[in-house]
Amino acid sequence: EAQVTQNPRYLITVTGKKLTVTCSQNMNHEYMSWYRQDPGLGLRQIYYSMNVEVTDKGDVPEGYKVSRKEKRNFPLILESPSPNQTSLYFCASSFYDRPNSPLHFGNGTRLTVT
Amino acid sequence: DQQVKQNSPSLSVQEGRISILNCDYTNSMFDYFLWYKKYPAEGPTFLISISSIKDKNEDGRFTVFLNKSAKHLSLHIVPSQPGDSAVYFCAARGWSGSEKLVFGKGTKLTVNP
Repeated sequence: EAQVTQNPRYLITVTGKKLTVTCSQNMNHEYMSWYRQDPGLGLRQIYYSMNVEVTDKGDVPEGYKVSRKEKRNFPLILESPSPNQTSLYFCASSFYDRPNSPLHFGNGTRLTVT
Repeated sequence: DQQVKQNSPSLSVQEGRISILNCDYTNSMFDYFLWYKKYPAEGPTFLISISSIKDKNEDGRFTVFLNKSAKHLSLHIVPSQPGDSAVYFCAARGWSGSEKLVFGKGTKLTVNP
């Protein structure tokens, strides 16, 4: 089954404790992206990657890091989480060179930073 | 600067009636428009799309209309069903596959039995 898999689904942590949210896709997509969803703000892009070893900042990159060492994986790293990073996070992927290729989303990771 | 706007945070309709969700955009370079549906505890799923060379695209109960001159698109759901209750996101981007997809803030649709 074609899918984007995020782990964990739920995560509660404390301020300053480094964490990683994993994302993996099995559709051979070049493009991958991370979003956060907050009430009243919709989906905001954090980072994206056009292909292996190519990453770039989205609209709200502060406090986050990503890496793209393999085509299928795109982990999101919070080196020193803060309470304002409490949010619902989505990973997504699509083909890069097909304009009508829609984004496929994972089921989300709900992060709480206390 | 919000390039894709969904001005109605919520919409409530009766089962069997038409649901109309609206979306406005400001960037004239946008060439491709998509609607996503999101249920609680799930990621957004692609629903329907339209390119700027068309003014209408239909898929079963879902129809998207595009008015380029007004920079406006709408999603019609006919007839509405309780299972359509979800948050709907409008999104847009340029025609190149490398263009970033820009999302609206979403409209929560509730279909009452």
